[in-house]
Amino acid sequence: VMTQSPATLSVSPGERVTLSCRASQSVGSSLAWYQQKSGQAPRLLIYGTSTRDTGVPARFSGSGYGTEFTLTISGLQSADLAIYYCQQSDNWPYTFGQGSKLEIK
Amino acid sequence: EVRLVESGGGVVQPGGSLRLSCAVSGFKFEDNSMHWVRQSPGKGLECVSLIVWDGSTTSYADSVKGRFIISRDNKKNLLYLQMNSLRPEDTALYYCVKDMYNTGRLENWGQGVLVTVSS
Repeated sequence: VMTQSPATLSVSPGERVTLSCRASQSVGSSLAWYQQKSGQAPRLLIYGTSTRDTGVPARFSGSGYGTEFTLTISGLQSADLAIYYCQQSDNWPYTFGQGSKLEIK
Repeated sequence: EVRLVESGGGVVQPGGSLRLSCAVSGFKFEDNSMHWVRQSPGKGLECVSLIVWDGSTTSYADSVKGRFIISRDNKKNLLYLQMNSLRPEDTALYYCVKDMYNTGRLENWGQGVLVTVSS
């Protein structure tokens, strides 16, 4: 089971944002983050805990190992308002967290 | 450019069947594992099924095991999901997803196709 916190976060542009994801058992470094904007499919942001996918801005970074993971957005932009999901691919079935929604303060 | 286009969704009664298709282009389909992932308001994102590059291995979520069948046609660049004995809880947006180097990383997503199970 993947558990994300917070469920909702009210933020202002320019802020530094930290989202957390906890696994009920170790997934090693097999952790990815996805961004989903309203009406769109999810987009892969980060895989292998800390590697940004092609075209993902450097303000997105990931860290962690085992059961505790973090997605950090440095200098939030309005385009970053979305729901963020973590996902483990260490063992099948691959599972997602319930998401963290970023809202404008 | 990678493209994944789902089709075959619709409204079906409980106990009915549907077959989803996904037409892919822009990459070497036969080299990649593929997934069906669904999203519903009540249950969030769920990996429903996985098929490896040659179809020799398939995996299913417990919630669909024995009812859904994933398959692929590498000559036609098509991915399928045969859904039988549908239940109201199968109502969701179903995405066709390309795996990154067969790692479980969900690299490219289609726009999704809506399946509604209702009487």
